[in-house]
Amino acid sequence: DVVMTQSPLSLSVTLGQPASISCRSSQSLAYSDGNTYLNWFHQRPGQSPRRLIYKVSNRDSGVPDRFSGSGSGTDFTLKISRVEAEDVGVYYCMQGTHWPRTFGQGTKVEIK
Amino acid sequence: EVQLLESGGGFIQWGDSLRLSCAASGFTFSNYVMSWVRQAPGKGLEWVSAIGRNGVTTYYADSVKGRFTISRDNFKGTVDLQMDSLRVEDTAIYYCAKAQDLDYWGQGTLVNVSS
Repeated sequence: DVVMTQSPLSLSVTLGQPASISCRSSQSLAYSDGNTYLNWFHQRPGQSPRRLIYKVSNRDSGVPDRFSGSGSGTDFTLKISRVEAEDVGVYYCMQGTHWPRTFGQGTKVEIK
Repeated sequence: EVQLLESGGGFIQWGDSLRLSCAASGFTFSNYVMSWVRQAPGKGLEWVSAIGRNGVTTYYADSVKGRFTISRDNFKGTVDLQMDSLRVEDTAIYYCAKAQDLDYWGQGTLVNVSS
C-alpha cells in the first residue's frame, strides 16, 4: 500500500499568517492518464471531512483562494496564505491513484 | 444538492455482524464510484472500501478484506457495507462518500464494538 506521510503533525499559527503542510507518498501518484490524484481534506471538530483540493491543485467549489495546492510525483504541499479562525481543524492528504486509497496521518492546525 | 445519509450504526458485541446503508440523492448515482471511510475515536481517517459504478468491481482495505462486503443498488441509490466478524478495532464513525476522490461526505454513523 502507498504510505502517505504528512508534516508537521501539528501547527500553531497566528491569525493572518501563512501556513504550509507537506505530504509525501511512498510511490509516485502520477497516473497513466496524465493526472496526479492527490486530494486535501479539512475536518473541523465534530464535523465530517470536506474536500478542499483535488488533483493536486484544483480548489473545490466554495473553497477560498487563500488555499492552494502544489506538487508532483511524491511530494505535495497545501498552503494557506493567511490563516483565518475558521481554518482550525485537521488537514488530511489522500492519494487517489493506487488501490487501496490511503490517507496521511493528519495535521492539526490551531490558532496561536 | 448532493446528500448522503448513513444509517445502521449501533452498539454491538465482538464477533457480531452489522449492515450499514447510505442513501444518496442530488446526483446521478449510477455514474459514480461510491466509497466508505471510517474514523476511530480521536484518530485519523481510514479508507475502508469502494465499489464501481456497476457494482461489479470492489476494493477493500487490508484491515477489512474478507470480513466486509460493499454493495450498491443503482435503482434505489443506496450503497451498503456488510460488516461481519466485527472486532473492537472496527469501532469508528463510518462515512459514506461520493466518488473515488470523495468529493462529498455524509454525516457518518457510529459503530461501537465491545468485547
